[in-house]
Amino acid sequence: DGGITQSPKYLFRKEGQNVTLSCEQNLNHDAMYWYRQDPGQGLRLIYYSQIVNDFQKGDIAEGYSVSREKKESFPLTVTSAQKNPTAFYLCASSDSNQPQHFGDGTRLSIL
Amino acid sequence: EDQVTQSPEALRLQEGESSSLNCSYTVSGLRGLFWYRQDPGKGPEFLFTLYSAGEEKEKERLKATLTKKESFLHITAPKPEDSATYLCAVAMAGGTSYGKLTFGQGTILTVHP
Repeated sequence: DGGITQSPKYLFRKEGQNVTLSCEQNLNHDAMYWYRQDPGQGLRLIYYSQIVNDFQKGDIAEGYSVSREKKESFPLTVTSAQKNPTAFYLCASSDSNQPQHFGDGTRLSIL
Repeated sequence: EDQVTQSPEALRLQEGESSSLNCSYTVSGLRGLFWYRQDPGKGPEFLFTLYSAGEEKEKERLKATLTKKESFLHITAPKPEDSATYLCAVAMAGGTSYGKLTFGQGTILTVHP
């Protein structure tokens, strides 16, 4: 089945640790996105990429980093500089002028 | 600054009791307005895209409409399985065709049997 796969489903981070969230899509979409969702605040854009080897900061990029080495993959690293990383992280992809489709998310918590 | 506001924050209905959810927006130019459904612990599921004022889209018990300042998601004779958070998002005109989306905070719908 075509879709977006996020892993792991749950992730725990220790103080000072970087963690990487995986996002893979087999929809052959050009664009990929990372959002953060906090209770009562809707989705906020962290980073997005419209083409391989290129990406742009979203509204809340501080403390996060991404790479786009392959069309199918857009991993997100939550660095130790992100002081409030506990949230539900959602990855999405889309084609030109088409709606974004989402994976089932990764829930990140602090140990 | 572009803003998207959804109301109410939460809505409790009895099965069969029709109602509407509101999404008001202030953007400099609208490329499209999107409705999504999100179940607990899951990613948003795409429902509708609306592009211009006066446009309407329907799917089963759901009907989305668009004016120049707001969109409504009408739910006719809802069932308990319609319980979810409904998210509204807008994409601005201009820029590339892979527009960034600005999301509202969502409306939590609960339908009681």
